Amino acid sequence: AQSVTQLDSQVPVFEEAPVELRCNYSSSVSVYLFWYVQYPNQGLQLLLKYLSGSTLVESINGFEAEFNKSQTSFHLRKPSVHISDTAEYFCAVSYTGGFKTIFGAGTRLFVKA
Amino acid sequence: DTEVTQTPKHLVMGMTNKKSLKCEQHMGHRAMYWYKQKAKKPPELMFVYSYEKLSINESVPSRFSPECPNSSLLNLHLHALQPEDSALYLCASSQAGGRPQHFGDGTRLSIL
Repeated sequence: AQSVTQLDSQVPVFEEAPVELRCNYSSSVSVYLFWYVQYPNQGLQLLLKYLSGSTLVESINGFEAEFNKSQTSFHLRKPSVHISDTAEYFCAVSYTGGFKTIFGAGTRLFVKA
Repeated sequence: DTEVTQTPKHLVMGMTNKKSLKCEQHMGHRAMYWYKQKAKKPPELMFVYSYEKLSINESVPSRFSPECPNSSLLNLHLHALQPEDSALYLCASSQAGGRPQHFGDGTRLSIL
């Protein structure tokens, strides 16, 4: 069975500091990997996806994640965070043709001035 | 701006009421989803429609009744809900199974 573990429930960090949100998954089949972000009173927005190809994926707002198959990880990083990055971040996995997406419990990123 | 539109944004209803949540997408996606999200928790899958047919029902109580009138619309009919059904209800769509999902901003439902 597939599962997703987000190792930190909350990550407080000062503005302009680097941050890493950790995600590990378990699966017996090939998976697709995602990071979604949820701002207050909004739905989830896709931040990054790994479907195939390069193991390093980047978003337009400076986030990046690296798919590490041997460690079954997909950690999210940003070299310098902004106050506006404060949100809930969900790591998720799915597989080809499958309609079920398995979400991690979420990590609350809180950026302090 | 979200590409998946949900109405209403807020809904307060009594336990004997009947109401409906609506979801619309115009991205040509053939899979549509309903999720329930409680505070500080990840979304929980309720239903999946693929090509307008119900593909997955995650053992949801019958007081929730989904409907997919066409490829762009998804409804969730509510009847005789319980206080524990109060939550954020999210609709999502995707091109196909396993692909990234696009979420609406949800309907925040409160049951009195």
